[in-house]
Amino acid sequence: EAQVTQNPRYLITVTGKKLTVTCSQNMNHEYMSWYRQDPGLGLRQIYYSMNVEVTDKGDVPEGYKVSRKEKRNFPLILESPSPNQTSLYFCASSFLGGSGPNEQFFGPGTRLTVL
Amino acid sequence: KNQVEQSPQSLIILEGKNCTLQCNYTVSPFSNLRWYKQDTGRGPVSLTIMTFSENTKSNGRYTATLDADTKQSSLHITASQLSDSASYICVVPTSGTYKYIFGTGTRLKVLA
Repeated sequence: EAQVTQNPRYLITVTGKKLTVTCSQNMNHEYMSWYRQDPGLGLRQIYYSMNVEVTDKGDVPEGYKVSRKEKRNFPLILESPSPNQTSLYFCASSFLGGSGPNEQFFGPGTRLTVL
Repeated sequence: KNQVEQSPQSLIILEGKNCTLQCNYTVSPFSNLRWYKQDTGRGPVSLTIMTFSENTKSNGRYTATLDADTKQSSLHITASQLSDSASYICVVPTSGTYKYIFGTGTRLKVLA
């Protein structure tokens, strides 16, 4: 089944404790992206990647890191989490190129709480 | 500034009724606009993608319209069902980059 998976789905941690949220897709998509969703603000883009070893900042990259060593995986790293990073996180992927816009497929989300 | 604004913020309708959700955008240059459905606590699911040359596109009971001149789009839901209860999000990518601008969504509740 074609899908985007995220792990963990739920995480409660404490300020300053490094964590990684994994994202994996099995559709051979070039493009992958991370978003956070907060009440009243909608989804905001954190980082995106157009292919292996190619990443770029979205609108809210502060406090986050990403890496794209393999095409299927795009982990989100919080080196020193803070309470303002408490949020619902989504990973998404899509093809690039072709004759028209490409649909983004979203993962199920990771709910992160930083105490 | 690139923005996507949606209205209304929330909407309650009775099962079987129709409704229309609005999206205004100021993203420029424009290439396409997307509508997503998001059930509570789940990832958004694509309903439709409209390019600048398309005026109307249907996906079952969902019909999206686009007016690129006025920079407005609407999503019309016909004969609503309880399962239509969700948030509907309008998204516009910034052309030439791969950044996406999301509206804050319209929360729709369909009552029996």
